[in-house]
Amino acid sequence: DVKVTQSSRYLVKRTGEKVFLECVQDMDHENMFWYRQDPGLGLRLIYFSYDVKMKEKGDIPEGYSVSREKKERFSLILESASTNQTSMYLCASRVTGAYNEQFFGPGTRLTVL
Amino acid sequence: KNEVEQSPQNLTAQEGEFITINCSYSVGISALHWLQQHPGGGIVSLFMLSSGKKKHGRLIATINIQEKHSSLHITASHPRDSAVYICAVGMRNQFYFGTGTSLTVIP
Repeated sequence: DVKVTQSSRYLVKRTGEKVFLECVQDMDHENMFWYRQDPGLGLRLIYFSYDVKMKEKGDIPEGYSVSREKKERFSLILESASTNQTSMYLCASRVTGAYNEQFFGPGTRLTVL
Repeated sequence: KNEVEQSPQNLTAQEGEFITINCSYSVGISALHWLQQHPGGGIVSLFMLSSGKKKHGRLIATINIQEKHSSLHITASHPRDSAVYICAVGMRNQFYFGTGTSLTVIP
């Protein structure tokens, strides 16, 4: 079974803090994704990576950066957390190709106070 | 404008009812996926479709490429089917997601 794990299920941070969200997958997938999910807006792509050290901006990259130093790990960084970044963050991975399903992590519910 | 539209947004059904959730998309796609998200956040993939129809247990998914429309049907619904169902279209390296249909099945 493919497993995608995220470092925290729940996280509370203060405005201005630097926040790291970690995602690890164990199936040697090339592609990894970070989404945020908000009520009424669905999942929106923040960044994705199609290989180690490669990254592309998604639809809402502002205020975020990413790092992929190893194939199995994809990190999302909030350089200076703000209250409008309070959300559910979901990581996913898949083998390259639009016909291949994405495997999702359990999500991190981040609250920025 | 969202590339993927789902209806209805919310759905309440009695146990045993036949349920249909619809998905329309406005872009050319490689594949369409139906996902299920239970309370607590975990998302699992139910189906991947590029044409025709697929069946898995009580779930049936259909797609009409010409009309850019897909439906997810649940036969003999059960309270454990209560979840959010999400339609996603795959294009090259990215997915685009509908906002989801929240289904509640009452015993």
